[in-house]
Amino acid sequence: AQTVTQSQPEMSVQEAETVTLSCTYDTSENNYYLFWYKQPPSRQMILVIRQEAYKQQNATENRFSVNFQKAAKSFSLKISDSQLGDTAMYFCAFIGGGADGLTFGKGTHLIIQP
Amino acid sequence: NAGVMQNPRHLVRRRGQEARLRCSPMKGHSHVYWYRQLPEEGLKFMVYLQKENIIDESGMPKERFSAEFPKEGPSILRIQQVVRGDSAAYFCASSPNRHVNTEAFFGQGTRLTVV
Repeated sequence: AQTVTQSQPEMSVQEAETVTLSCTYDTSENNYYLFWYKQPPSRQMILVIRQEAYKQQNATENRFSVNFQKAAKSFSLKISDSQLGDTAMYFCAFIGGGADGLTFGKGTHLIIQP
Repeated sequence: NAGVMQNPRHLVRRRGQEARLRCSPMKGHSHVYWYRQLPEEGLKFMVYLQKENIIDESGMPKERFSAEFPKEGPSILRIQQVVRGDSAAYFCASSPNRHVNTEAFFGQGTRLTVV
């Protein structure tokens, strides 16, 4: 069974700073996908970024980028120039090995201070 | 193109009642997934359906819970004889193909409170 671990329950940074959220996972699969989802107070789950395990290049979406270390089974999210609207819960998720549903971590509550 | 629509947003049920949660997928999406989010937890996969078929229900409790996705109309997650432990946010996601190959879009969830 796959597991996803987010070791930081809460993080707080000042606006405009850079912040990195950590995520590790455990799997015996070779082909899989990793995701970061944002859940603001509205509860809507919003896809932030997606990484395919067979791609060595780290995914990037504007201010959001990942550091994907396949051998270490690590998938951290970096948010540059953080904004107040980035305040939310962030969930790391995994899918692979023929599974039909995502496996989520417990989340990191990110607070951006003005 | 409307997103994934879930209703109601909030649902209060007394212990022993039935809860019906509805999910209308995005237009053109025939794959639907239900997840449950307990307080302070990440989402947990419950069931995966394609039109008229349950493909994977490995995450759904064997008793009291059922799901359907009829040919016409929304997908329904049904919880019979609700108990306090069923209180959670229930999310639906939809995708045009099997999720492993494509992005799944989430609805805003239904928060079920059992009193």
